[in-house]
Formats: sequence, C-alpha cells, structure tokens
Amino acid sequence: EDKVVQSPLSLVVHEGDTVTLNCSYEVTNFRSLLWYKQEKKAPTFLFMLTSSGIEKKSGRLSSILDKKELSSILNITATQTGDSAIYLCAVRGSGTYKYIFGTGTRLKVLA
Amino acid sequence: DGGITQSPKYLFRKEGQNVTLSCEQNLNHDAMYWYRQDPGQGLRLIYYSQIVNDFQKGDIAEGYSVSREKKESFPLTVTSAQKNPTAFYLCASSIKSSGANVLTFGAGSRLTVL
Repeated sequence: EDKVVQSPLSLVVHEGDTVTLNCSYEVTNFRSLLWYKQEKKAPTFLFMLTSSGIEKKSGRLSSILDKKELSSILNITATQTGDSAIYLCAVRGSGTYKYIFGTGTRLKVLA
Repeated sequence: DGGITQSPKYLFRKEGQNVTLSCEQNLNHDAMYWYRQDPGQGLRLIYYSQIVNDFQKGDIAEGYSVSREKKESFPLTVTSAQKNPTAFYLCASSIKSSGANVLTFGAGSRLTVL
C-alpha cells in the first residue's frame, strides 16, 4: 500500500533556529513530490520535486529529494513566527490520479 | 485573480440532513478534487474529476456524492449516510490529473454536525 510518513509530527523552536522536516514515502513508480504550508485554511504551494539531488530554494526555505532513500527534506533557516504552520508532503506515482498526503508536521516558532 | 472559491466557510448540520459544499474555480483547470482533513490525519481523497461529466471515487467516498456539470464547478454533497461528517473539507484543482501537476486549494469549508 502506498504511504507517506512525515516526521516529526510536531516541533517547537525559537525564532532564529533552523529546522529540518522529513517526508518518507512508499509509492509505486514515483512521479512527483509536493510540499505545502497550511496556516489556517488553504494549503499554499511551496515546492514540487521530481528529480533526485536537485535543491529547490525560495528565500529561507529549501527542499531536496533523495529517490534512493525514498525521502525528501524541507529546511527552514532563521525561522520566524510567521513560519508557524502545518507543513504537508504529498507524493504521486506514475499512472495514478491522486496525490497521497502525509499527516503533516506542525511547526510552532516562539518569539 | 484566478483561484478556487469554496462556500460556505462554516456550516452546521443536524443529523439526518444532507448538505452541499460549493467549489468553483476560474483557473481553467481540467481536474478537480475533494479532500477531507481531520486532526492528526493527512488529507484523504473523497472524489476526483478529470473532465466534465466524469468523476471517480477516492479512498473515502462512502456517504458523499458529487457532480461535474461544468468545468468550473465541482459541488460535494455530504449525505446522511456519512457516519462522521464533522471535518474540514478542501477542494483542489490541477491543470490535469496526470503527470507532475501542482494542486491549487480553496480556503476550505468546516462542517459541524450538531
């Protein structure tokens, strides 16, 4: 059965800390992986990863895929209180219509 | 601005009632999806639609129904057969349902059964 596991489930840090969120997957014929940030309502898109070893970067956020290890990490440097949110990982295999979501990591950044 | 509009944002339902959640998109996306989100669980797929007048069940379709009469609209009905309907419902769309496509989400509808 295809599945996506995120860790840790929750995390509390102080402003300025660096955090690493993990996403591991078991999906038949991997096609793509998505990262989202969900604050109150609609998840907002962060990154799409399809190729192993290529880092995607946006400001203080970065992400990389490791197809050999069947995993991806999301890094946030110099965290701010505005980074407090649930971070969702979703994976899709080839020939399938759906993305499988992990349970998310709840990040809280204290001032 | 292009996007997905869900309504209502909050909805209360008495047991035994059917309710319909609206989802409209102006992104010209072919594919549309309904997800359910419960605390401590990931998003679970209820139904999806690749094209007008066609839709398929997701992982938790029991107690739900949908229609796709127009490309822009994908309403979800939560029927009285759904045993535990209290949840946060998210509608999403993508250009197509296959390939490495990004999902765009609406703001969600929170349903509470009294």
